[in-house]
Amino acid sequence: NAGVTQTPKFRVLKTGQSMTLLCAQDMNHEYMYWYRQDPGMGLRLIHYSVGEGTTAKGEVPDGYNVSRLKKQNFLLGLESAAPSQTSVYFCASSRLAVTGELFFGEGSRLTVL
Amino acid sequence: AQTVTQSQPEMSVQEAETVTLSCTYDTSENNYYLFWYKQPPSRQMILVIRQEAYKQQNATENRFSVNFQKAAKSFSLKISDSQLGDTAMYFCAFIGGSGTYKYIFGTGTRLKVLA
Repeated sequence: NAGVTQTPKFRVLKTGQSMTLLCAQDMNHEYMYWYRQDPGMGLRLIHYSVGEGTTAKGEVPDGYNVSRLKKQNFLLGLESAAPSQTSVYFCASSRLAVTGELFFGEGSRLTVL
Repeated sequence: AQTVTQSQPEMSVQEAETVTLSCTYDTSENNYYLFWYKQPPSRQMILVIRQEAYKQQNATENRFSVNFQKAAKSFSLKISDSQLGDTAMYFCAFIGGSGTYKYIFGTGTRLKVLA
């Protein structure tokens, strides 16, 4: 059982380049989330989805876009990467909106030069 | 807005000793859920323990227990008989019961267990 899988796990970009992070879950979860983790700031919510075809903004959505065309996949896009987007990105999913445990991927370390 | 505060950036404890990690939160909701997540050096986040606000009894999972003080909006994690494998970053998290779907995390406490 793979759980939550993120690809790629590491990526180095130049300022202005674009890229997409893919999150896939095989648990049939409705809710999916993208967080970024920065030293001293914990996890901050970028975007989330409450079901296939839906997306919503979190705390720090600027500079990112997301799509949830299939229930099992949640894509995070950076259209024009900036050094401030250097971070570790985590995808998470949950079966239930509130009481459910969040299942996390292993994280994707992105460096923007 | 809901907030979660972890005031201890780093802590250390001797192996086999007990340590308590602090977490406070702010919310106007009466029904909500609180969590402690562990992030070891491997980066994989895993759930340690969960507390439902409407339950007065403190949650316990083996060596991990919480002290939930609803009136004080405090949710501390106690680790008994600390083991080297407990070395990790610990995050406190909150989600309201009103269907906001957003989990709010604290800034984390880095715990080091010393041999």
